[in-house]
Amino acid sequence: GQQLNQSPQSMFIQEGEDVSMNCTSSSIFNTWLWYKQDPGEGPVLLIALYKAGELTSNGRLTAQFGITRKDSFLNISASIPSDVGIYFCAGHKTSGSRLTFGEGTQLTVNP
Amino acid sequence: NAGVMQNPRHLVRRRGQEARLRCSPMKGHSHVYWYRQLPEEGLKFMVYLQKENIIDESGMPKERFSAEFPKEGPSILRIQQVVRGDSAAYFCASSPPSGYYNEQFFGPGTRLTVL
Repeated sequence: GQQLNQSPQSMFIQEGEDVSMNCTSSSIFNTWLWYKQDPGEGPVLLIALYKAGELTSNGRLTAQFGITRKDSFLNISASIPSDVGIYFCAGHKTSGSRLTFGEGTQLTVNP
Repeated sequence: NAGVMQNPRHLVRRRGQEARLRCSPMKGHSHVYWYRQLPEEGLKFMVYLQKENIIDESGMPKERFSAEFPKEGPSILRIQQVVRGDSAAYFCASSPPSGYYNEQFFGPGTRLTVL
């Protein structure tokens, strides 16, 4: 089935450092979304991207929708301990359709 | 404005029993999606429903699994004759009526353990 390739699988960083993770696909997606999941909880939507080339920020988070519609990245600036969790990229091909998820990036922030 | 509600949060069943998972979408949302997550994996789509209609069930196993979203009440994901491989976290998401912006918002999930 359709897959999103997300990297890196895990990251170990010091508090205050910047973080970057990305997602690629072999086919086009019309929407890209980034979620964060804490242990025992459901994914929480961080940023949604709807247009190729779009760059969107939400506080310390910045995400971009690749111009080819086949990739997206998420940056977190000045990381803090509460940024710890699993970050997932997700995309859907048409409005209202299923989401395809990446395998996640496990982020650990050392104080 | 309550978010997506799921219950129970944890469910334990013995092999061969039935599991019923419930999902109440956010207020004003008419689209419901079910996903399954195995440990240390991403979420995998199962089924997409609107009120009284199954729109896409291509991700749902053909046997033992069924889903409904009645006119009144929550959406139900039903697993009959559960097996150990059904142990997973099941998440429900909802989105508003179709439009350009229809992000999916997730509930806290039901963690199913099959003994």
